[in-house]
Amino acid sequence: DAGVIQSPRHEVTEMGQEVTLRCKPISGHNSLFWYRQTMMRGLELLIYFNNNVPIDDSGMPEDRFSAKMPNASFSTLKIQPSEPRDSAVYFCASSLWISGNTIYFGEGSWLTVV
Amino acid sequence: GQQVMQIPQYQHVQEGEDFTTYCNSSTTLSNIQWYKQRPGGHPVFLIQLVKSGEVKKQKRLTFQFGEAKKNSSLHITATQTTDVGTYFCAGSSGDFGNEKLTFGTGTRLTIIP
Repeated sequence: DAGVIQSPRHEVTEMGQEVTLRCKPISGHNSLFWYRQTMMRGLELLIYFNNNVPIDDSGMPEDRFSAKMPNASFSTLKIQPSEPRDSAVYFCASSLWISGNTIYFGEGSWLTVV
Repeated sequence: GQQVMQIPQYQHVQEGEDFTTYCNSSTTLSNIQWYKQRPGGHPVFLIQLVKSGEVKKQKRLTFQFGEAKKNSSLHITATQTTDVGTYFCAGSSGDFGNEKLTFGTGTRLTIIP
């Protein structure tokens, strides 16, 4: 049974470039989450969707960050333009909302902005 | 907003010693979950507690949910090197169907062989 699939697994990019992270949630899950993890700030919720609709984006750091979920099986997190302080591990996660919010994480996208 | 704090932030123990991490919420929770993240890995669900005062065990791991449903603990008996990682609690609150899950700050456990 496939878990949450993220791509790319690792990305190194130059400051100012656009970065797009992709996520395929577990089939049948109707909630999708984007988290960012750094040593300094720990695990931060950036945004989450329920039935493809953004519910809470209060964690998105600034306008350079945007997220979309065009259908139930795909989501993107975009950073434009990227900055060195965006370097982090970005996790996508999904859950079946009704089942008590157990969250299943992808393996993460390790982003380095130089 | 809801805050979930964990202590300690770091814990170094000798292999075979016990380990405990504590989780405290600023608000009453409907349930609490625990996750483990191995170094270089992603958080993985361990368990969920729902009832006030609930205690659950998984082999050497014992999870407790406080009577007031605002705190929780994870205790590991006789730690092994495989227990290395960061342990997160995550508290859920809000109306059914509109819950929000807030992750704690995590406790990083290292084991001295």
